[in-house]
Amino acid sequence: DGGITQSPKYLFRKEGQNVTLSCEQNLNHDAMYWYRQDPGQGLRLIYYSQIVNDFQKGDIAEGYSVSREKKESFPLTVTSAQKNPTAFYLCASSYFGGEETQYFGPGTRLLVL
Amino acid sequence: EDKVVQSPLSLVVHEGDTVTLNCSYEVTNFRSLLWYKQEKKAPTFLFMLTSSGIEKKSGRLSSILDKKELFSILNITATQTGDSAIYLCAVRNFGNEKLTFGTGTRLTIIP
Repeated sequence: DGGITQSPKYLFRKEGQNVTLSCEQNLNHDAMYWYRQDPGQGLRLIYYSQIVNDFQKGDIAEGYSVSREKKESFPLTVTSAQKNPTAFYLCASSYFGGEETQYFGPGTRLLVL
Repeated sequence: EDKVVQSPLSLVVHEGDTVTLNCSYEVTNFRSLLWYKQEKKAPTFLFMLTSSGIEKKSGRLSSILDKKELFSILNITATQTGDSAIYLCAVRNFGNEKLTFGTGTRLTIIP
């Protein structure tokens, strides 16, 4: 089955802890994205990557880090510097260029203990 | 800074009613406008609009773009309880692949 998978579904973070959210796609998409969704605020872009070994900051990158070592994978690390990490995190992917839309994974809900 | 504003923020209607959701935008180098439906988790793609005045239709849903007045509407006729969801509008500009999202409209259909 082609698609985007995110894990885990729920994640709990203790204060001062770094946690990593997984995103994998087998759609052969070039570009991948991480969004954060808070109630009443829509989706806000954290980081995006258009090709392997390259990524750019989005609108709210502070306190987050990413890597893109493989085309299929774009993990997001929420560092201890992110003071308000409780949110719903969505990963998306698309072809680069053309008129292709972005397709979303099922999301990870991060909660702070 | 690119900006997308959706209205209303929430809407409650009875089954069978027709609804119109609004999306206005301010974007440099506009490329396309997209509508998504988010029921529980992953947003699912509805429409992509690039040209003014051309209606896109899928069943009871339709959407149109006005590039002069910088807005789009999403219409849903004969609403059903399964239409209850958050409807997201996003715009993309030339030069990068970023989408800028609005806050969404939460639509609730009462049986």
